[in-house]
Amino acid sequence: GQNIDQPTEMTATEGAIVQINCTYQTSGFNGLFWYQQHAGEAPTFLSYNVLDGLEEKGRFSSFLSRSKGYSYLLLKELQMKDSASYLCAVRDSNYQLIWGAGTKLIIKP
Amino acid sequence: SAVISQKPSRDICQRGTSLTIQCQVDSQVTMMFWYRQQPGQSLTLIATANQGSEATYESGFVIDKFPISRPNLTFSTLTVSNMSPEDSSIYLCSVVTGPPSGANVLTFGAGSRLTVL
Repeated sequence: GQNIDQPTEMTATEGAIVQINCTYQTSGFNGLFWYQQHAGEAPTFLSYNVLDGLEEKGRFSSFLSRSKGYSYLLLKELQMKDSASYLCAVRDSNYQLIWGAGTKLIIKP
Repeated sequence: SAVISQKPSRDICQRGTSLTIQCQVDSQVTMMFWYRQQPGQSLTLIATANQGSEATYESGFVIDKFPISRPNLTFSTLTVSNMSPEDSSIYLCSVVTGPPSGANVLTFGAGSRLTVL
């Protein structure tokens, strides 16, 4: 079966750096997405990786290793507003999106 | 990216009743997707709504329980029929938008939070 694994919950301190990991086992690979979802709101797109390496976008970076079935989302200079759930999703060979259950990130002052 | 209006934003329903969720997009889109998000779980695709043809349902979801309409390229409805407490969930509609080019990023509506008593 297809599977996306990410930690259920993480806690970090305001101003610090946090890395949220995602490992996947899917039938083929056609891209990996990270979405942010604040409580009670819709998921919003953060990043897309289709080739190996690091994609940087401001305070957020996303890394992909296709050979390892592994990605991480790196958040720098954490702010209280970064408290949210972070969803990892992989598009498989049939162009279906497989979603992880999300990582709830709690930021403490 | 597209702007999606979804309503109702939340509702409390009685067991055995049905509720229709509406999704309006500010631009024409070929496909609209309906998802369910249960507490602490991943997003699950219910069906893909295509204009001019029947919706395509994912395994575990059937038209009798989740009838979908798609009368034009900017609007769709999802009905949750004969509801039970197990249907309590957040229902989200989404469409494909860009960029980045080729990524087929999804934009989501704000969701409809249903509680079935």
